[in-house]
Amino acid sequence: NAGVTQTPKFQVLKTGQSMTLQCAQDMNHEYMSWYRQDPGMGLRLIHYSVGAGITDQGEVPNGYNVSRSTTEDFPLRLLSAAPSQTSVYFCASRVGLRELFFGEGSRLTVL
Amino acid sequence: DQQVKQNSPSLSVQEGRISILNCDYTNSMFDYFLWYKKYPAEGPTFLISISSIKDKNEDGRFTVFLNKSAKHLSLHIVPSQPGDSAVYFCAASVDYKLSFGAGTTVTVRA
Repeated sequence: NAGVTQTPKFQVLKTGQSMTLQCAQDMNHEYMSWYRQDPGMGLRLIHYSVGAGITDQGEVPNGYNVSRSTTEDFPLRLLSAAPSQTSVYFCASRVGLRELFFGEGSRLTVL
Repeated sequence: DQQVKQNSPSLSVQEGRISILNCDYTNSMFDYFLWYKKYPAEGPTFLISISSIKDKNEDGRFTVFLNKSAKHLSLHIVPSQPGDSAVYFCAASVDYKLSFGAGTTVTVRA
């Protein structure tokens, strides 16, 4: 079972560059979300979606865009990367209000 | 402002003994609570959960206790095993948002 798949696993960017972190799930989950993990901060919600065509902001949305054109995919776009966006990013999905299933993470470094 | 707090960054316990992890929250609207376990270079995986209408939920070696009046929950692992060495995140949910604590790193000593 593939579950939640994130690409790329590692990425190095220069300040000001843009990129997209890809996330796909094959469990037909309506809910998908993006978190970032930073030392001492735990996991913080960036954006989430409760279904195709519907997205909303989490705790730390600034500097990130999302879209949800299909149930399976939920890409996260960094518009103009900043060193403060150096982090590990996790995509997660779930059905209803039950537990989240996480991807393996994408480690991003912004120089 | 973190609504879910894990005040102990680390915990060291001897194999076979009990591990107790604590978590406090501030939002009284949270209605579902979860614990996740995370190994290095992997995504978090679900461990156990509890609804706000219950005060205890047990699953094998793992038991979660909820004290709503104190806005406190805890995770008990008995007996602790070497494979339990990981980071444990407490999480709380209201509507579609899940808020996480900063995590507690558990080390099980042989």
